[in-house]
Amino acid sequence: TQLLEQSPQFLSIQEGENLTVYCNSSSVFSSLQWYRQEPGEGPVLLVTVVTGGEVKKLKRLTFQFGDARKDSSLHITAAQPGDTGLYLCAGATGNQFYFGTGTSLTVIP
Amino acid sequence: ETGVTQSPTHLIKTRGQQVTLRCSSQSGHNTVSWYQQALGQGPQFIFQYYREEENGRGNFPPRFSGLQFPNYSSELNVNALELDDSALYLCASSHKRGLNQETQYFGPGTRLLVL
Repeated sequence: TQLLEQSPQFLSIQEGENLTVYCNSSSVFSSLQWYRQEPGEGPVLLVTVVTGGEVKKLKRLTFQFGDARKDSSLHITAAQPGDTGLYLCAGATGNQFYFGTGTSLTVIP
Repeated sequence: ETGVTQSPTHLIKTRGQQVTLRCSSQSGHNTVSWYQQALGQGPQFIFQYYREEENGRGNFPPRFSGLQFPNYSSELNVNALELDDSALYLCASSHKRGLNQETQYFGPGTRLLVL
């Protein structure tokens, strides 16, 4: 059972374009994390959001946690080739983390 | 402060064999979680260890077992390997206080191939 659904699954854009990745669930999470993963490596934490409605910015990346703490979005402004990777959201509930299906982003120079 | 480390980095086994994967948690962390990540998919939760006891388990059969040691390092053991066990196995450490679990940090993973 996949608690978190991400969309789109694949995304290929030109350098300089903007994009948004969505992470949706019918479950409520105490916190939600976004990770980026390179091929053959472990996920690297980008941000943790805890409060419903919270918005966090990390340079060109903007993360938002839904008011009901069931969904989140990641917006990238002026994408660069270095942003290429697999973006994963993960929700924490109790003593478990549930990962989304992942969004594979390719930024073409 | 040292990060999460895993060994070995790569491993090849044949069907029916047993394997042990190891993880050293980040300094100051008391909780270790293990995940299986098949190619092109998100990680799937196997189980978590806290204070040397299993503290939650995902939808994996009993042939997946684990240990946590007093220094909070951990092992994942898989018996009777099947072809579908081929995956990247990720370890993540975090610090748990009461009911609250802080953000987890991942190791680089062990790539297991079952032939």
